[in-house]
Amino acid sequence: DSGVTQTPKHLITATGQRVTLRCSPRSGDLSVYWYQQSLDQGLQFLIQYYNGEERAKGNILERFSAQQFPDLHSELNLSSLELGDSALYFCASSVRGRTPTDTQYFGPGTRLTVL
Amino acid sequence: ELKVEQNPLFLSMQEEKNYTIYCNYSTTSDRLYWYRQDPGKSLESLFVLLSNGAVKQEGRLMASLDTKARLSTLHITAAVHDLSATYFCAVTNFGNEKLTFGTGTRLTIIP
Repeated sequence: DSGVTQTPKHLITATGQRVTLRCSPRSGDLSVYWYQQSLDQGLQFLIQYYNGEERAKGNILERFSAQQFPDLHSELNLSSLELGDSALYFCASSVRGRTPTDTQYFGPGTRLTVL
Repeated sequence: ELKVEQNPLFLSMQEEKNYTIYCNYSTTSDRLYWYRQDPGKSLESLFVLLSNGAVKQEGRLMASLDTKARLSTLHITAAVHDLSATYFCAVTNFGNEKLTFGTGTRLTIIP
């Protein structure tokens, strides 16, 4: 158990809908990262937040947005869902920069199925 | 753009044999990570490699880094069934903490 929690574990929804994925980082970690894992794209970085502020952006669609709240939990919002958005969405957290071997610890993931 | 390639993509090997997974990356990187993923599960951190010549070992797994060749290897010694999983390497670029992942190597250990 990495200490990163994600809810829900599974989500099944229809095209055009909107969903919210939630992530709680490990205690003390200020950085939260979101990744998408799919068969055709592999593991791709979406976005990073550090202590409430957006830090880096990757291949995140405009239909997707995220935020990190004062208690450091993060939410990833996916809207106007398409079939191709079906994937496993991981959240990871790290202390960021405190040690040279800073590691990202991954949560269990949310499996999103768009029908 | 930073690209990371792994080979082989699939590896089926017998127990007690040795093998190596290769990870090449396209531009200078400051950290290289190895992760393990069991089917349908999360990613588990195995190693972090920082400098040229770095070598780390944990049980039957040993990872090394050659920054000049932009190559990391994950060596499996005397494989056992419990090592069956998908192994990913990932790199970060200077000043950027996002992980760029390789394609993964699906390792199957056959009794």
